[in-house]
Amino acid sequence: QKEVEQDPGPLSVPEGAIVSLNCTYSNSAFQYFMWYRQYSRKGPELLMYTYSSGNKEDGRFTAQVDKSSKYISLFIRDSQPSDSATYLCAMFMDTGRRALTFGSGTRLQVQP
Amino acid sequence: DAGVTQSPTHLIKTRGQQVTLRCSPKSGHDTVSWYQQALGQGPQFIFQYYEEEERQRGNFPDRFSGHQFPNYSSELNVNALLLGDSALYLCASSFGADYNEQFFGPGTRLTVL
Repeated sequence: QKEVEQDPGPLSVPEGAIVSLNCTYSNSAFQYFMWYRQYSRKGPELLMYTYSSGNKEDGRFTAQVDKSSKYISLFIRDSQPSDSATYLCAMFMDTGRRALTFGSGTRLQVQP
Repeated sequence: DAGVTQSPTHLIKTRGQQVTLRCSPKSGHDTVSWYQQALGQGPQFIFQYYEEEERQRGNFPDRFSGHQFPNYSSELNVNALLLGDSALYLCASSFGADYNEQFFGPGTRLTVL
């Protein structure tokens, strides 16, 4: 079983829809949670960064972390065709492993 | 402000050959991590360099080695290439050994024939 599970999609939504992307994880040592956006054949771009549980909002994006359920979410409001990309969740521990652990990514397609 | 840069963009090699990939971190960053991303998968951690030393290593064989220079730039070397080494190789930089906000470069796409 992978430490971080993410539905690969693809997820297809109409322009303007609210998108919900999710990851689950098994290792309770993860303390930092990130969402990256990756366009085709490009490097991942950091979108949101959250420490421990709670919500964080940045423009049309909201990240939620529920450590008790080991579940994180990214919500995209008023989705645009330019949001079409692969979204990767990533996690990091406070001590020990000095590397990001990624989910496999969810491919999102926003239809105009 | 230049972000993370990587060279070359693309590379084609044959099995058994050796390859060197290069990375320059974002200005002000001193830590470089390397990841391998197979098609349709998330990036997998190879190793991390800080103060010119390998601080941590993922589950990759010794064929994968690296180096960090005094100006914080880094190289990834892969020996005895296998078909399965074909992937996008990503470099990520951050500030300080304990800081986790990592910024990625565009990657080097390696194809092994």
